[in-house]
Amino acid sequence: DADVTQTPRNRITKTGKRIMLECSQTKGHDRMYWYRQDPGLGLQLIYYSFDVKDINKGEISDGYSVSRQAQAKFSLSLESAIPNQTALYFCATQGDGEGYTFGSGTRLTVV
Amino acid sequence: RKEVEQDPGPFNVPEGATVAFNCTYSNSASQSFFWYRQDCRKEPKLLMSVYSSGNEDGRFTAQLNRASQYISLLIRDSKLSDSATYLCVVNMLGNEKLTFGTGTRLTIIP
Repeated sequence: DADVTQTPRNRITKTGKRIMLECSQTKGHDRMYWYRQDPGLGLQLIYYSFDVKDINKGEISDGYSVSRQAQAKFSLSLESAIPNQTALYFCATQGDGEGYTFGSGTRLTVV
Repeated sequence: RKEVEQDPGPFNVPEGATVAFNCTYSNSASQSFFWYRQDCRKEPKLLMSVYSSGNEDGRFTAQLNRASQYISLLIRDSKLSDSATYLCVVNMLGNEKLTFGTGTRLTIIP
């Protein structure tokens, strides 16, 4: 099994729909992150969490919300999806002094 | 000025050649440095950390120049499988988050 698992891998949804992207990890890391990546652009931080009770906004949090249900689980929600939220979404975890371990990504298309 | 800047490329390099790219960072308090590799439509994967003394892993060599605030990645004897986007990543002291460059695209030509 992968260390960081994202579901779904691909999703097409309609404008205005609510959608949740899920992330779970088996690395036992406290720190978890959600990023989006658009073609030709770098990774943009949406939200991050350093433990179950700690949630922080990133660079582009508007239109998104998160929930840290447990140390191993960190979900990202789009309350009312819009077309410019079409992107590749990555979840990542981080251990002390280490780089990130990424999930395989969720390709989201909002039509 | 961006916190982390990379030449986007593309770098088109013949197989077997040596290729190097640099990455500059703006914050002198930056503490940790990494190179990640990302294949098309895949997740970024850690290639190597960059240590103050420089470090080597097989055909890959990473170096840090704190005075000029840049890190470099050298790939020797390039293989077709080295074709990817290489992301420069920096972590500042006291900031738990990593800052990513936009990546340098490398294509190895047969």
